[in-house]
Amino acid sequence: QVQVQESGPGLVKPSETLSLTCTVSGGSIGIYYWSWIRQPPGKGLEWIGYIYYRGTTNYNPSLKSRVTISVDTSKNQISLKLSSVTPADTAVYYCARDMGGVLRGPWGQGTLVTVSS
Amino acid sequence: DIQMTQSPSTLSASVGDRVTITCRASQIISTWLAWYQQKPGKAPKVLIYKASNLESGVPSRFSGSGSGTEFTLTISSLQPDDFATYYCQHYNSYPITFGQGTRLEIK
Repeated sequence: QVQVQESGPGLVKPSETLSLTCTVSGGSIGIYYWSWIRQPPGKGLEWIGYIYYRGTTNYNPSLKSRVTISVDTSKNQISLKLSSVTPADTAVYYCARDMGGVLRGPWGQGTLVTVSS
Repeated sequence: DIQMTQSPSTLSASVGDRVTITCRASQIISTWLAWYQQKPGKAPKVLIYKASNLESGVPSRFSGSGSGTEFTLTISSLQPDDFATYYCQHYNSYPITFGQGTRLEIK
């Protein structure tokens, strides 16, 4: 059974770069698309972007200038980098398998990242 | 971007009630719509895709309908496990976007 786990620092300072890793276990990353989604505390869901196992990416225009998503198929990992963070980037960040736009999963349990000095 | 608007934002209901949540898209999305259920501290779970298709393993009391710009999620007889927040999401094109959510609470 495929499982997904997000990991990374829980606290990032303003203006720095948020870096998270999504590790897929029990199966392979390949031939799927993988999306990052975030959810500020008590608020709704925002799609950040996706990556195809071959490296093709698509980002939300609202974040495009600050986002980089990459994949390491040898490690079965997807990475997210978000630069120049502000407190508005405080959120639970999720990784999920994206099947034609339906985030059918599996989803990770999410990781809370707080942006604060 | 396509904007998704859900109503109501909060819905109070009792076990056994039939409830309906509405989702409107700011432009035509055919039937490229999914519904998710999210419980506190958990990731969302897909219930419905392509507007009316029940995801495998989801109870048949959940149903979806609509096309174009107006969609509904109906729960035919609320069960205790159904009290959660529900989101619609279009996937007509990227960026995919979500409605703001409907919190279904116990009356």
